[in-house]
Amino acid sequence: EADIYQTPRYLVIGTGKKITLECSQTMGHDKMYWYQQDPGMELHLIHYSYGVNSTEKGDLSSESTVSRIRTEHFPLTLESARPSHTSQYLCASSEGQGVGDEQFFGPGTRLTVL
Amino acid sequence: SQQGEEDPQALSIQEGENATMNCSYKTSINNLQWYRQNSGRGLVHLILIRSNEREKHSGRLRVTLDTSKKSSSLLITASRAADTASYFCAPANQAGTALIFGKGTTLSVSS
Repeated sequence: EADIYQTPRYLVIGTGKKITLECSQTMGHDKMYWYQQDPGMELHLIHYSYGVNSTEKGDLSSESTVSRIRTEHFPLTLESARPSHTSQYLCASSEGQGVGDEQFFGPGTRLTVL
Repeated sequence: SQQGEEDPQALSIQEGENATMNCSYKTSINNLQWYRQNSGRGLVHLILIRSNEREKHSGRLRVTLDTSKKSSSLLITASRAADTASYFCAPANQAGTALIFGKGTTLSVSS
């Protein structure tokens, strides 16, 4: 198992709430990623970071925001959750700066917005 | 970034049989990676094959790469119930920003 953690594992909240999904890794990796995945569907890259103070949007437009103040921490925030945000959110990291490096994934956060 | 397309979408076999999954992609790559995802969990890296390699083994896994056909295959030999999962390929090239994953192949192994 890789040393990358996500909390909470499951979250059920009401519409309009602000939420933060936590992701931490202890491997000292520079690159970190957030993916969104609906059941049985592909993973969509929504955010990534090359290192501290670097954040970029991914291929899928998302209303969420991310920050990278510390190497090991890459939280994702939704200011006002909606039912359309219901999904699984997966965090990952990789060691090098290249695209083709092995990615290590956390266990995911399953978010349900009522 | 480019996405790999896995085929078939779903595969059901008996324990002890071999399972073969295929992946196609569109542009040149530096390497291609295969990942496994158990239900509701994160992905786990299985194997990476570089563009100058044709075949690679890891335990019961065998991966082939044909860059002329822009395709790869993952063979799991002597499958076990614990191999039940979704399998994703991820082609990687330097022009992209990150790995892009397709819908995967869902493998069910029954005992």
